[in-house]
Amino acid sequence: NAGVTQTPKFRVLKTGQSMTLLCAQDMNHEYMYWYRQDPGMGLRLIHYSVGEGTTAKGEVPDGYNVSRLKKQNFLLGLESAAPSQTSVYFCASSFWTGSSEQYFGPGTRLTVT
Amino acid sequence: DAKTTQPTSMDCAEGRAANLPCNHSTISGNEYVYWYRQIHSQGPQYIIHGLKNNETNEMASLIITEDRKSSTLILPHATLRDTAVYYCIVATIGQNFVFGPGTRLSVLP
Repeated sequence: NAGVTQTPKFRVLKTGQSMTLLCAQDMNHEYMYWYRQDPGMGLRLIHYSVGEGTTAKGEVPDGYNVSRLKKQNFLLGLESAAPSQTSVYFCASSFWTGSSEQYFGPGTRLTVT
Repeated sequence: DAKTTQPTSMDCAEGRAANLPCNHSTISGNEYVYWYRQIHSQGPQYIIHGLKNNETNEMASLIITEDRKSSTLILPHATLRDTAVYYCIVATIGQNFVFGPGTRLSVLP
């Protein structure tokens, strides 16, 4: 039982390049989330999904797209990376019922130059 | 905006209890209080949650005041590995979490 995993762990992009971050969970959770965390700050929600095939915007969705084609995977895409997207990205998942505590992945450190 | 207020930082001696306060004066009746911690830029880790009763698990205790406007997370015997940023969050079931800056707890030898 790996929990929540994220790929890659580190990445450096040039401005304008694109990339996709992959999040996978093996806990059969319905809800999945993407957050970003800038230095010295708390986490901010980018997008989330309440089930396979669904996505919704969070607090800071601009510049990002997401897809949830399979229940266990949640992809975060950057179509044209900007230096302002330099951050650590965390994925999380939770059950849709019960107390809904979230389980987090180890993070992806992205630098855009 | 975060619905909670926490001190920016706290120190605690190793082996002593760490008491982390959280103010949530606008909490509504169906909102839970959740506590997470984040150790050195790792992914946040769930600690405990509660609605109105005090809760205890293997990691910590959560004390919620009777009016539910504040709570305290207690780590009974803090160790150096408990040094982390602690986040207090209030949310209803299924509601998205809003993370504030949290409290940076330093456990000192």
